[in-house]
Amino acid sequence: SSELTQDPAVSVALGQTVRITCQGDSLRNYYATWYQQKPGQAPILVIYAKDNRPSGIPDRFSGSTSGNTASLTITGAQAEDEADYYCSSRDSSAARVVFGGGTKLTVL
Amino acid sequence: QVHLQESGPGLVKPSGTLSLTCAVSGASISTNKWWNWVRQPPGKGLEWIGEIYHSGSTNYNPSLKSRVTISVDKSKNQFSLELTSVTAADAAVYYCARISERFPISYVDVWGQGTTVIVSS
Repeated sequence: SSELTQDPAVSVALGQTVRITCQGDSLRNYYATWYQQKPGQAPILVIYAKDNRPSGIPDRFSGSTSGNTASLTITGAQAEDEADYYCSSRDSSAARVVFGGGTKLTVL
Repeated sequence: QVHLQESGPGLVKPSGTLSLTCAVSGASISTNKWWNWVRQPPGKGLEWIGEIYHSGSTNYNPSLKSRVTISVDKSKNQFSLELTSVTAADAAVYYCARISERFPISYVDVWGQGTTVIVSS
């Protein structure tokens, strides 16, 4: 399968922990990558290679994988974390890139 | 610092051809990377269009493959997208992007700022 499934929307209280999940068969072969996108902006990389953060990404962002499910966890969510989050990976054939449908995170 | 910049017409007629170019600065396009196009229709999610390696090897989204051509110009350090027979469904923000990878890791580490394409007569 070449699909990645995400919950369309998730909310979290300010300062609390939230987990955003991504499910798909390709995650058994390739690590999930996570991108954050704010309105009117290009996506930015927040997690790659399962649990690596690019420089400048706060350490409250972390990633994990179990079987065909990848998770992005924000520990102590901040108002500035309100955004759309997309997971992505190569599909099992390695000849395609697939994106999840995105999860809109609301920080209450 | 690597920078990608999309350019091209912001308005394309229905049934026409959408042509965009991505200029790469701060790095050579002839490196071990994949150069990609991704689009995002208004209010919707990201859709992968396709990619090219500096050797000219390409991969395309099967849903667009019959209409898409991605090419590379190493002398200008840029790559291009052509999408034929466009319809209103092709209206989107088009991003160029660089993928770095080493199995089983693959990720976009550089995004262009995006360019909006409207399809209208």
